[in-house]
Amino acid sequence: DAGVIQSPRHEVTEMGQEVTLRCKPISGHDYLFWYRQTMMRGLELLIYFNNNVPIDDSGMPEDRFSAKMPNASFSTLKIQPSEPRDSAVYFCASRPPGEETQYFGPGTRLLVL
Amino acid sequence: AQKITQTQPGMFVQEKEAVTLDCTYDTSDQSYGLFWYKQPSSGEMIFLIYQGSYDEQNATEGRYSLNFQKARKSANLVISASQLGDSAMYFCAMRVINDYKLSFGAGTTVTVRA
Repeated sequence: DAGVIQSPRHEVTEMGQEVTLRCKPISGHDYLFWYRQTMMRGLELLIYFNNNVPIDDSGMPEDRFSAKMPNASFSTLKIQPSEPRDSAVYFCASRPPGEETQYFGPGTRLLVL
Repeated sequence: AQKITQTQPGMFVQEKEAVTLDCTYDTSDQSYGLFWYKQPSSGEMIFLIYQGSYDEQNATEGRYSLNFQKARKSANLVISASQLGDSAMYFCAMRVINDYKLSFGAGTTVTVRA
């Protein structure tokens, strides 16, 4: 059974460019989470969805960040324009109905030059 | 807001020995869940164990056990019979019921020596 799938696994871009990170949750999971991991701030939640609806986006750093979940099997996190301080590992996680555990994808390592 | 504290930035343990990773938390909620995740050098986050605040028994999963002391607000992870593959960063996390996001501690790096 496939786990959470994220693409790309690595992204290097220049400041000012648009970056789109993609996530496919585990089939049947009804919650999807986007986290960011940096050395300075550790792991922090950016936004999460329930049944494709955004529930809490209070962790989104600023208007340059946006996330969508057009259907149950796909979500995107977009940064436009990107800045060097956005360099981090971005994780997507999903959670099945009635369970506590969040299952994480392998992460996307983003470097903004 | 919830706060998770992991006071040990790094630990060394001898292969086959047990190691305890400390985690304390701060919340005013009565209903919450505590988690431990492992992050090896490859970067993925691997779920290890979960403890609910109303669970009377300490959670166990194979070589992992969670020493839950509710009055002290601590949820220490015990890894028994350490293996070289246990070398990784370990994160303690919490969520309160009715809020599905996880709050993570800063992590503890464990290095297992042969």
